[in-house]
Amino acid sequence: DGGITQSPKYLFRKEGQNVTLSCEQNLNHDAMYWYRQDPGQGLRLIYYSQIVNDFQKGDIAEGYSVSREKKESFPLTVTSAQKNPTAFYLCASSISGSTTYGYTFGSGTRLTVV
Amino acid sequence: AQRVTQPEKLLSVFKGAPVELKCNYSYSGSPELFWYVQYSRQRLQLLLRHISRESIKGFTADLNKGETSFHLKKPFAQEEDSAMYYCAIETSGSRLTFGEGTQLTVNP
Repeated sequence: DGGITQSPKYLFRKEGQNVTLSCEQNLNHDAMYWYRQDPGQGLRLIYYSQIVNDFQKGDIAEGYSVSREKKESFPLTVTSAQKNPTAFYLCASSISGSTTYGYTFGSGTRLTVV
Repeated sequence: AQRVTQPEKLLSVFKGAPVELKCNYSYSGSPELFWYVQYSRQRLQLLLRHISRESIKGFTADLNKGETSFHLKKPFAQEEDSAMYYCAIETSGSRLTFGEGTQLTVNP
């Protein structure tokens, strides 16, 4: 059953901690993306990767880091430098970085700082 | 910079009434525009693309380059259309920039 799997579904972080959100896809898509979803602000792009071992900053990359060591995996680390990390995080993928056929989205991870 | 604006955060209509979700964009070139939808407890998914000139679930969207708009329309709203709708534009590097979203509620 092809798709994108994000884990965990809910994540709680203490102040000053780094946490890593997992995103795995078995669609053989080349490109992967991380968005942050906040009420009233829509989706904002954090990082994206169009090919293995390469990634680019999006519009709100500060306080986040990513890696793309494998085609199917694109983990996002929320570092302690991110001032307001509580949000809903969405991972997506697309064929060859093309938007024409649309993005496939994961079910999301809700991160809460406690 | 490319930007997408959805002026209505909330939109409420009655079943059977026409519905229009507004989307305005700023872009210097020829834009590729999309509408995505997120139903309750479901994943965000592609609804339609302007390049396809398609009608999905009775929805259509026309690109108006003069007004830089890509409004989503449906002549007769159904209760199952209640969802969050996002307008999006393709930007450099095959990235999508999304609007703020409009929560549509169709009342019985």
